[in-house]
Amino acid sequence: KAGVTQTPRYLIKTRGQQVTLSCSPISGHRSVSWYQQTPGQGLQFLFEYFSETQRNKGNFPGRFSGRQFSNSRSEMNVSTLELGDSALYLCASKYGGASDTQYFGPGTRLTVL
Amino acid sequence: QQQVKQSPQSLIVQKGGISIINCAYENTAFDYFPWYQQFPGKGPALLIAIRPDVSEKKEGRFTISFNKSAKQFSLHIMDSQPGDSATYFCAAPRPGTSGSRLTFGEGTQLTVNP
Repeated sequence: KAGVTQTPRYLIKTRGQQVTLSCSPISGHRSVSWYQQTPGQGLQFLFEYFSETQRNKGNFPGRFSGRQFSNSRSEMNVSTLELGDSALYLCASKYGGASDTQYFGPGTRLTVL
Repeated sequence: QQQVKQSPQSLIVQKGGISIINCAYENTAFDYFPWYQQFPGKGPALLIAIRPDVSEKKEGRFTISFNKSAKQFSLHIMDSQPGDSATYFCAAPRPGTSGSRLTFGEGTQLTVNP
């Protein structure tokens, strides 16, 4: 099976812009979670989608949003970008059970100038 | 609020040595503790996980041990190799979220010298 894929791999944006990141989960996986990884804060949970519904949400401002499509593919959007949004954004998928293994994609490196 | 404390932050061992990384948690939705390994430029990959009712799990050179009363779990890497040099993260299911949300430790950067 193909792994989790994320596009694009690298992005450079300027403050105030918005960005959309895409994630294609492993075939058959219905749960997609998004994480932000930074050197200072480590891996922080953004949100999880399951069957097109947001199932869990982390402690991020409303500028961070996401959605999931009927084929389980997911997108996350960040509006009004700030310098502090520069990070590696990781997507992880799993079948859907609480203790099912999460498989991570390679991430999208976002740089905000 | 769920917190997972991981130590040490960095670890340097010689080839053939034992690497030990520790994690402590406050609360967990249930007893499922995965360890992830991350190489530069890559996403984290599941290394090994321990599930309920098991106090130790071994896979090759990697062993997880779990002390429920102390709320601690640890990763042991036996016969450490230079190829093991990576960042390791422990995680625990956050309470009140059906367990789907993992809280990660801060990470341990392991360097194995040849």
